[in-house]
Amino acid sequence: GENVEQHPSTLSVQEGDSAVIKCTYSDSASNYFPWYKQELGKRPQLIIDIRSNVGEKKDQRIAVTLNKTAKHFSLHITETQPEDSAVYFCAAMRGSNYKLTFGKGTLLTVNP
Amino acid sequence: GAVVSQHPSWVICKSGTSVKIECRSLDFQATTMFWYRQFPKQSLMLMATSNEGSKATYEQGVEKDKFLINHASLTLSTLTVTSAHPEDSSFYICSADQGRGYEQYFGPGTRLTVT
Repeated sequence: GENVEQHPSTLSVQEGDSAVIKCTYSDSASNYFPWYKQELGKRPQLIIDIRSNVGEKKDQRIAVTLNKTAKHFSLHITETQPEDSAVYFCAAMRGSNYKLTFGKGTLLTVNP
Repeated sequence: GAVVSQHPSWVICKSGTSVKIECRSLDFQATTMFWYRQFPKQSLMLMATSNEGSKATYEQGVEKDKFLINHASLTLSTLTVTSAHPEDSSFYICSADQGRGYEQYFGPGTRLTVT
């Protein structure tokens, strides 16, 4: 089955700096890669996603890049703000079964 | 749009009892619903996939006789934890998709504590 590795497990940045979280996946048939933000005790919130036919996608301060050949994708957050502090999860899905496999998560702390 | 609710939001039960958790899609019909379990400071682990009117498909290592899933309609799936034990204490989250593929909509989760 699919295996998703996520790094780093914790990330601390100063307000205004950029943050980058990286994930690798094992199943070359995976074709959908969402990123979620989860605050303590809350549901995962989709912040951005990318499909395998696209190499990069941007939404304001958030961007995701995908390298299908290397089987890795990354989340980029620019101009970080304290409210960006949360746990971020990457995930991969094979379109044939719509099952999401999650990475282990990254605890992002943005210091004011 | 695409709102998913769960009930209850939290529940405490005694060891050996059963607990039912409901997952509802409020403004769309969910072709497929998924159940996840999340232990503290860990990731979401898929437990099972359910489709309306058919038996759920369980992931490897998940006991189907312990975690009973019923998907009776296109807007409701239930997860029953039978003979609960303290090690079943966890955050249970459901998600649903609209049948267009890819994006899943998550419920707010149910915190289960077994004493």
